[in-house]
Amino acid sequence: GDSVTQMEGPVTLSEEAFLTINCTYTATGYPSLFWYVQYPGEGLQLLLKATKADDKGSNKGFEATYRKETTSFHLEKGSVQVSDSAVYFCALNAGGTSYGKLTFGQGTILTVHP
Amino acid sequence: EAQVTQNPRYLITVTGKKLTVTCSQNMNHEYMSWYRQDPGLGLRQIYYSMNVEVTDKGDVPEGYKVSRKEKRNFPLILESPSPNQTSLYFCASTSTGTTGNTIYFGEGSWLTVV
Repeated sequence: GDSVTQMEGPVTLSEEAFLTINCTYTATGYPSLFWYVQYPGEGLQLLLKATKADDKGSNKGFEATYRKETTSFHLEKGSVQVSDSAVYFCALNAGGTSYGKLTFGQGTILTVHP
Repeated sequence: EAQVTQNPRYLITVTGKKLTVTCSQNMNHEYMSWYRQDPGLGLRQIYYSMNVEVTDKGDVPEGYKVSRKEKRNFPLILESPSPNQTSLYFCASTSTGTTGNTIYFGEGSWLTVV
């Protein structure tokens, strides 16, 4: 079945450091890929998405590129801020009869210190 | 404004006392679903519905029921809650389009079963 694997957390960085959170997936066909963010005590927000190979999703300084050859969708940000502290989820949507379903990774907790 | 509204947001209940978490969306979407979020496991789909009167099990349906009598509403029912159902629950609604599917989430319902 479909699955998403994220790098183990938690990740702790200093402000202005470079961030990478790795995400790899297993799916049949050509899924759409997503990053969601959950700030402390809040719900899920869509951060960015990519719907086909080599697409780059970007938002709020975060980027991720859909790499079909390595089945990856790593999240990056060049300079993190304290306000980026949150839990980040990688997810895929396989489409077809599962068009409404997201398969999530386990989440990565990011803490950014001043 | 596109919205998925779920209630209650916070609930503490006792083992065996039936409860219902309501979910409503204002986007006329056909596909709706429920997820639970647990530490280290990410979000997992409980049940989904592809239209009125059409529901099916997701990945973790045990202990839950759903109904879809109207397009906008998709309540989650715990007939006899147990402590292992203590979790954060999200309702979701899916739109389809030429740029891919977008899944909208409610703000989450924190449920504690004692």
